[in-house]
Amino acid sequence: DAKTTQPTSMDCAEGRAANLPCNHSTISGNEYVYWYRQIHSQGPQYIIHGLKNNETNEMASLIITEDRKSSTLILPHATLRDTAVYYCIVIYNTDKLIFGTGTRLQVFP
Amino acid sequence: GAVVSQHPSRVICKSGTSVKIECRSLDFQATTMFWYRQFPKQSLMLMATSNEGSKATYEQGVEKDKFLINHASLTLSTLTVTSAHPEDSSFYICSAWTATTNEKLFFGSGTQLSVL
Repeated sequence: DAKTTQPTSMDCAEGRAANLPCNHSTISGNEYVYWYRQIHSQGPQYIIHGLKNNETNEMASLIITEDRKSSTLILPHATLRDTAVYYCIVIYNTDKLIFGTGTRLQVFP
Repeated sequence: GAVVSQHPSRVICKSGTSVKIECRSLDFQATTMFWYRQFPKQSLMLMATSNEGSKATYEQGVEKDKFLINHASLTLSTLTVTSAHPEDSSFYICSAWTATTNEKLFFGSGTQLSVL
């Protein structure tokens, strides 16, 4: 079973910040939180990952709660090209990588 | 970043034939590779985990004699769908794990299999 739960879908206006939540209440101390997104009929694309500190790169920011039981992916200025399914998964080495249902983000003009 | 090359991107075959899908890590060595299948509007479903030089570990409900996985080197894993039937039509995706880069997990671009 997937170790993460996410809302099924979200909408966001173009130019606004998209905040995608993820619950991983059973995460263990050595598991990282990874975020990927998948555009129709393509392989998942890496976005960002973190262990316990907040992280930022050119694509997004990742906010992890202090107890590490949840996290939020932030796309600061969503564009139409950010419309995709976003997956949050927890990984430690080569444990089975089970994907949850993901969040289908629709960015509208 | 690291690249995983998956071929072919699309294949159409007749029922009863076998299809081989290749997954290569182009600039890194992948100790572990994962194979997923995905039906329309659904999430990725893990089929099997393969480690270089050893037998793949299949998920419950995945027939190992139907979906043959070979991970003969640190840069190549193959998935062969044997005696394909229309119900095997799906999007197949590989991913490769490495401990040598920050991102660690990389995905191929996927293979759309259509069995007629």
